[in-house]
Amino acid sequence: GQQLNQSPQSMFIQEGEDVSMNCTSSSIFNTWLWYKQDPGEGPVLLIALYKAGELTSNGRLTAQFGITRKDSFLNISASIPSDVGIYFCAGADNYGQNFVFGPGTRLSVLP
Amino acid sequence: ETGVTQTPRHLVMGMTNKKSLKCEQHLGHNAMYWYKQSAKKPLELMFVYNFKEQTENNSVPSRFSPECPNSSHLFLHLHTLQPEDSALYLCASSQWTSGSRTDTQYFGPGTRLTVL
Repeated sequence: GQQLNQSPQSMFIQEGEDVSMNCTSSSIFNTWLWYKQDPGEGPVLLIALYKAGELTSNGRLTAQFGITRKDSFLNISASIPSDVGIYFCAGADNYGQNFVFGPGTRLSVLP
Repeated sequence: ETGVTQTPRHLVMGMTNKKSLKCEQHLGHNAMYWYKQSAKKPLELMFVYNFKEQTENNSVPSRFSPECPNSSHLFLHLHTLQPEDSALYLCASSQWTSGSRTDTQYFGPGTRLTVL
């Protein structure tokens, strides 16, 4: 079945640094979502992407829908302690109802 | 964010118990989902309800039984679970229209289930 890979699996950064993470698939997707999950909570939607090449921002977060439609990137600028958590990507194929989720990137921010 | 609520937030049960998880969405959506999240594994889709009809069951054991009485409520009935069923169970909802692009899913806070 469809699978998503996320890299890196985990990362430790200093507060104030920029962060980049990505999500790749062997299949083409037509929708990409990025979620953040805090410990003991459900994933919270950060950014939704619906068009190849689309670049969308949400505050310090920027995500891009890869032009090959097989990948997506999430960047966080000037990281702060509350950015700590697990970041999941999710993809859906054309008119599919269901999303496939990646395994997540665990972000730790050091003061 | 209180769009999707789940109760209880934590549940500890024995293998012979019967319990139910509840999910309610206040977003006017027509599709609801149950996911299982285990440590270090991707989210696993368990059940999908679209317009109150179950449209997908990803080979989930029969000890998990979903119920969707209306488009706003979703239950997951549990009986004779195994310790390996311990996980975070997440509910999600979305607005889905046949033939249109997949719409985003909004998650509840989850129920942390421990099976002894």
